[in-house]
Amino acid sequence: DIQMTQSPSSLSASVGDRVTITCRASQSINNYLNWYQQKPGKAPRLLIYAASSLQSGVPSKFSGSGSGTDFTLTISSLQPEDFASYYCQQTYSTPHNFGQGTNLEI
Amino acid sequence: QITLKESGPPLVKPTQTLTLTCTFSGFSLATSGVGVGWIRQPPGKALEWLALIYWNDDRRYSPSLKSRLTITKDTSKNQVVLTMTNMDPVDTATYYCAHRQIYDAFDIWGQGTMVTVSS
Repeated sequence: DIQMTQSPSSLSASVGDRVTITCRASQSINNYLNWYQQKPGKAPRLLIYAASSLQSGVPSKFSGSGSGTDFTLTISSLQPEDFASYYCQQTYSTPHNFGQGTNLEI
Repeated sequence: QITLKESGPPLVKPTQTLTLTCTFSGFSLATSGVGVGWIRQPPGKALEWLALIYWNDDRRYSPSLKSRLTITKDTSKNQVVLTMTNMDPVDTATYYCAHRQIYDAFDIWGQGTMVTVSS
């Protein structure tokens, strides 16, 4: 199995800040990396697929980069609605494991 | 518009078999490229990928749970069913089904169904 490690596990930021979340794969996954946002009590929402492709309807304040084993999700100009949990997921090989999540707090 | 909805018992006893149904609309599992997956999330914990079934009946499972899981599709009913045998309290979680898009990302999710395993 490919293991996904996110850092940090939690992150405190303020409205207007720019933040970066990192995801590392235990082996190369090319660009088979997706990012999700999840708010309490809600299903996850796909933000980024293929490492850097913005999902339809997702604001451009979200951006992804990386290839191989190291990936980042950047959120610019944080707004109150962006405070949530974020998960990466590799889909290079099954099982399509998720990272442990990053809790973005005010 | 694609929608998915999970259904199943909210409470099961240890050792019992859980059967969850994902009923969807807006797409067909008879269409090339389409897939539906199952993901779960224990309270306060991370997402866990469980299984995925494709339009061609290719089925993929989490190796750690493969002996306990079966995923099937009923194209005529627009349903995907996940069964999990020998349920244990550690299987208590919200179970989601989701539509697979390019790169096997899940673009549309059901609302989730909470399953508690307790005697």
